[in-house]
Order: sequence, then C-alpha cells, then structure tokens
Amino acid sequence: DGGITQSPKYLFRKEGQNVTLSCEQNLNHDAMYWYRQDPGQGLRLIYYSQIVNDFQKGDIAEGYSVSREKKESFPLTVTSAQKNPTAFYLCASSIGTGSYEQYFGPGTRLTVT
Amino acid sequence: GIQVEQSPPDLILQEGANSTLRCNFSDSVNNLQWFHQNPWGQLINLFYIPSGTKQNGRLSATTVATERYSLLYISSSQTTDSGVYFCAGTNTGNQFYFGTGTSLTVIP
Repeated sequence: DGGITQSPKYLFRKEGQNVTLSCEQNLNHDAMYWYRQDPGQGLRLIYYSQIVNDFQKGDIAEGYSVSREKKESFPLTVTSAQKNPTAFYLCASSIGTGSYEQYFGPGTRLTVT
Repeated sequence: GIQVEQSPPDLILQEGANSTLRCNFSDSVNNLQWFHQNPWGQLINLFYIPSGTKQNGRLSATTVATERYSLLYISSSQTTDSGVYFCAGTNTGNQFYFGTGTSLTVIP
C-alpha cells in the first residue's frame, strides 16, 4: 500500500523537552513538507524539502528543525525553543515542487504541558 | 504571502441539500487544491484544479484563475460529507497557503 505514515498519532511531552515526529512515504516522491495546524485554523508551512539533503524554511520555522537523509523520510524535531508547540502536525509529499498535488499523512497531535 | 479567504466559515445543511463553497486568493496561483478534513484530522484530496472545471461524483469544482477564485459544489449532501473543507494554493510551487476552512455539518 502506497502512502504516507506518521508516528506516533498522539504524543505528550513536558515543557523543555525536544521531541521528534516521524514521517515516512513510499510514494517515491521527491518533495516533502511539514505543516502545523492550530484549532480552527488552516495549515501553515514549517519546512519543506525538494530533494535529499536539502530543505528550506517555511513561514513558521522558528523552534523547529528537520533532516532529509533519505528520500523516504523527513523527521521533524520540535525543540524547547518553540514557544507554543502544542498543535496538530501534518506531513505531506508530492512528486516534486511546482504544479503537483500534495498528499497528506494522518497527522500527529502533540501536547506539551 | 498569499491571503486565502474561504466562505462561508460554517455551514449546516439538511441531508440532500446542495451547497457552494468559495475560495478567494489575494494573488494569482498556478496550483490549487481542495481538501476535506475528516473528524480524525486526515486531509483527503478532492481536486487538483489550477483552472477549469472538474467533477467527481457529487462533487465538482471550478477555478477562474484570472479572477483568483475557486468554487466547490456539493450536491445531494450526505452526513459523511461533514467535516472541514480547505482550499490551498501556491504560485511558487513549494509554499502552499491554506484558507481557514469551511466547517460543514450535514444533518440527517
């Protein structure tokens, strides 16, 4: 089954701890993205990657870091520098950047107390 | 960045009714998608429609790129259509901008 998986579905952390969210795709897509969604809001772009070993900041990259060592994987680390980390995080991928559809994973709900 | 305005913000329909959702963009986009977010948060692709009209069953969408808006039509609504509908667009190919969504509730 081709698709995008995110784990875990729910994540709870104490304030001050870094946490890494997993995103894996087996669609052979070059581009991958991380978005954040807050209640009642649309999605906002955190980071995106067009190819392996390359990634670019989106509008709200502060307090987050990513890596892209493999085509299939694009993990997101929420660092202790992120002031309001509690949110729903969605990973997406597309064949490439440009005029291509984005496809989304099921998301991870992160709660930091 | 591009501002995306969706209307109406909330919509309650009786099962079987038709509806039109609208998405306005502050700038031209060359890539536009409509999504349905189900109650579990999953975003489901409905249409990739940078211009023109497409239909898929009871749903159809029209984008008028020159006037920077897109419409999503839902006919004969069903309770399973409930959820939040988002449009998103980009003119760079990598930075997508999302609207705040239309929350649809279909009552039996």
